Amino acid sequence: SQQGEEDPQALSIQEGENATMNCSYKTSINNLQWYRQNSGRGLVHLILIRSNEREKHSGRLRVTLDTSKKSSSLLITASRAADTASYFCATDTGGFKTIFGAGTRLFVKA
Amino acid sequence: NAGVTQTPKFQVLKTGQSMTLQCAQDMNHEYMSWYRQDPGMGLRLIHYSVGAGITDQGEVPNGYNVSRSTTEDFPLRLLSAAPSQTSVYFCASRWTGSDNEQFFGPGTRLTVL
Repeated sequence: SQQGEEDPQALSIQEGENATMNCSYKTSINNLQWYRQNSGRGLVHLILIRSNEREKHSGRLRVTLDTSKKSSSLLITASRAADTASYFCATDTGGFKTIFGAGTRLFVKA
Repeated sequence: NAGVTQTPKFQVLKTGQSMTLQCAQDMNHEYMSWYRQDPGMGLRLIHYSVGAGITDQGEVPNGYNVSRSTTEDFPLRLLSAAPSQTSVYFCASRWTGSDNEQFFGPGTRLTVL
């Protein structure tokens, strides 16, 4: 079974609005990563947050991690049409297996 | 650098046929992995390798074989294709430490009839 589960499955917003996606996981992790996938393309790494970190920023991205709740959120501020993509969380439990969730499909309307 | 390359981009097989999906990276990464992605789903790990001569199973290894004879190449073999193996296959690589981002190839879209 997959380690990470994203919520919502799909999200539609207007350009300029913020988009928030959530990820829950089941077991203890070393780190949690977020990836973006444009339609029909490979995944692109966005940001990694370690288990001892609570918040991380990268440009318009803000990621939080709550290990007590086994959850993470990805916030995209001031969204653009180009942010339209699927977003996946992936967890690393300290072995060599990075496990992906099913993803959130984000659609940003211009 | 070309990054992670995969061939072919598209492939159609008949049930029972075998084939090899190719993956190569030019970043000297020790760690390489294969995932499959089914429609509307995330990626599921098939096999991975932490260096030449070392491979291990992921979440869904049945029906697939891998080998790693060089650092650069990590081919995935389908032994006897089944319709359930219709999927998009992604290869990825990274440095061994888990706090390193994975670089993904563009994918191979496989259809098994």
